[in-house]
Amino acid sequence: QQQVKQSPQSLIVQKGGISIINCAYENTAFDYFPWYQQFPGKGPALLIAIRPDVSEKKEGRFTISFNKSAKQFSLHIMDSQPGDSATYFCAASNRGSTLGRLYFGRGTQLTVWP
Amino acid sequence: NAGVTQTPKFRILKIGQSMTLQCTQDMNHNYMYWYRQDPGMGLKLIYYSVGAGITDKGEVPNGYNVSRSTTEDFPLRLELAAPSQTSVYFCASSYPDSGSGNTIYFGEGSWLTVV
Repeated sequence: QQQVKQSPQSLIVQKGGISIINCAYENTAFDYFPWYQQFPGKGPALLIAIRPDVSEKKEGRFTISFNKSAKQFSLHIMDSQPGDSATYFCAASNRGSTLGRLYFGRGTQLTVWP
Repeated sequence: NAGVTQTPKFRILKIGQSMTLQCTQDMNHNYMYWYRQDPGMGLKLIYYSVGAGITDKGEVPNGYNVSRSTTEDFPLRLELAAPSQTSVYFCASSYPDSGSGNTIYFGEGSWLTVV
């Protein structure tokens, strides 16, 4: 059973446009929602994360929007650049659990055309 | 800073062969993980360890074994390689913080092909 559902699987955006990736979860015990960015040939790396006590977190051109009642969260990339072309994974975890295990979405391959 | 280091980067195995993927981290993290990544399927947890001498199965442990004799090292062994084990393998480590959350640091991956 997929704990975190991510869409779309792939996304093509023009340079300067807005990229939006959506994720949904069912487990109400989840209280930590990070996004990881993976460039070709590299391992994923933490991009930005949010806790459910806020509805939005912004870091530069990257924003996470969080809707607790809908159990959904999304990543918005403003003014998308070719250098943003990568695979993006959303994830969720329960910070209070023993392992703090992250459950990953299946990933979105973003291509930004110049 | 080296972070998480995996070797080898690439390997071709024949069906039935065995091999070990090496992983070491220099961040003194107590938690370590092995994931596999298949196209469109995300990251699947194979095994994890919460400290030296302690390991446990993840989602997809069949065909793999691990050991954790030191804090730094967490090798993954493939016994009797099968084509279904063709994948990209990532070792990772973390020091979960119940306050700020679990930030996982990944290695650069090991590309394994079983033919």
